[in-house]
Amino acid sequence: QVQLKQSGGGVVQPGKSLRLSCAASGFIFSSHGMLWVRQAPGKGLEWVAFISFDGSEKYYADSVKGRFTISRDNSKKTLYLQMNSLRVEDTAVYYCAKDETDSSGFFDYWGQGTLVTVSS
Amino acid sequence: EIVMTQSPATLSVSPGERATLSCRASQTVTNSLAWYQQKPGQAPRLLMYGASTRATGIPARFSGSGSGTEFTLTISSLQSEDFALYYCQQYYDWRFFTFGPGTKVDIK
Repeated sequence: QVQLKQSGGGVVQPGKSLRLSCAASGFIFSSHGMLWVRQAPGKGLEWVAFISFDGSEKYYADSVKGRFTISRDNSKKTLYLQMNSLRVEDTAVYYCAKDETDSSGFFDYWGQGTLVTVSS
Repeated sequence: EIVMTQSPATLSVSPGERATLSCRASQTVTNSLAWYQQKPGQAPRLLMYGASTRATGIPARFSGSGSGTEFTLTISSLQSEDFALYYCQQYYDWRFFTFGPGTKVDIK
């Protein structure tokens, strides 16, 4: 069955860096686009970044552009989110999600979420 | 950037009643609209895509309609497990996978 297992969250000081990982299994990872979405405490869903199935296309929300980098290693079936220059307002639960196809634009499986807390 | 709005913010419904949720896009998204359900402490779950196609395993009491800028998610007869948050998401503009702010369906 499809599984997206996330890791890498935690508490970090403002200005520091953190890398999130999302290990995929149960589907052909290299054939699907992937998305990172976050949810601040008590707030709605905010998309963060998208990467195409082969990594050739990447899109970022304005709120993270220039600070966050999405990447993937298809040989390891793993998605990453490198977060630099973290701000207090980046505090959220971060989810990875699988595109239904290589480029459908909607997301049929989600990871369990990982909490990132940015605080001094 | 396409802005998504949802109404109402909260919908109070009795079990067995119909719930109608609205989603509006600031510009046309044709039928590139998905709906997700989220329960407390859980990840979102895909309900609907293409505005009106149910995702795998979604009960028939969920239906979607609309195109262009106006969309509706209808739950025909609310079950206890349907009380949750519902988000719409556009995927017409691939530069921004924007979500609406959500509608909370709670028990009346």
